[in-house]
Amino acid sequence: AQSVTQPDIHITVSEGASLELRCNYSYGATPYLFWYVQSPGQGLQLLLKYFSGDTLVQGIKGFEAEFKRSQSSFNLRKPSVHWSDAAEYFCAVGLAGGTSYGKLTFGQGTILTVHP
Amino acid sequence: NAGVTQTPKFRVLKTGQSMTLLCAQDMNHEYMYWYRQDPGMGLRLIHYSVGEGTTAKGEVPDGYNVSRLKKQNFLLGLESAAPSQTSVYFCASRPRGGGNEQFFGPGTRLTVL
Repeated sequence: AQSVTQPDIHITVSEGASLELRCNYSYGATPYLFWYVQSPGQGLQLLLKYFSGDTLVQGIKGFEAEFKRSQSSFNLRKPSVHWSDAAEYFCAVGLAGGTSYGKLTFGQGTILTVHP
Repeated sequence: NAGVTQTPKFRVLKTGQSMTLLCAQDMNHEYMYWYRQDPGMGLRLIHYSVGEGTTAKGEVPDGYNVSRLKKQNFLLGLESAAPSQTSVYFCASRPRGGGNEQFFGPGTRLTVL
């Protein structure tokens, strides 16, 4: 069965520090990979996505993520965190192919706290 | 474009009551999804639809029913609510075709007493 793991439930960083959120997946085929962010009381907003090609993808708000097939990972990074980045972050994985119907499997989420 | 909207935003039910959550999208998307979000469990797929008149079960379908009579609307029903269905419910939609992301609504917070 497919699975997505975000090993860190809660991460705390200081404003201006760098950030890396981990995501590991277990899929039998080439996956589509996504990172979403959820601010308190809000819906999910797409940060970035990977389908194919360059394994380093750029997203909104200064985020980037790198797909490493050998490690089954898709970690999210930001060089300098802002207080407004405090939120919950979700990694999601989907399968290519028509019969997958775009369904996604989500990780458990990582809550990011930013100290001033 | 309003995107994906959900009605209502909040609801409190008593055990055994029924209700319907409405999801509407104005992006002409073929695929629509209902998820529930519980602390520490991420989002789990309840049901989904790949077109008007079609529905299918997701990961956690028990206790829920859905209908998609119109392309733009996807209804989630609870026939006899249970406290275990206390959750935040999200609807999402996406176009048909490989590699497209899902667009999410703002969520409905449901409490079952």
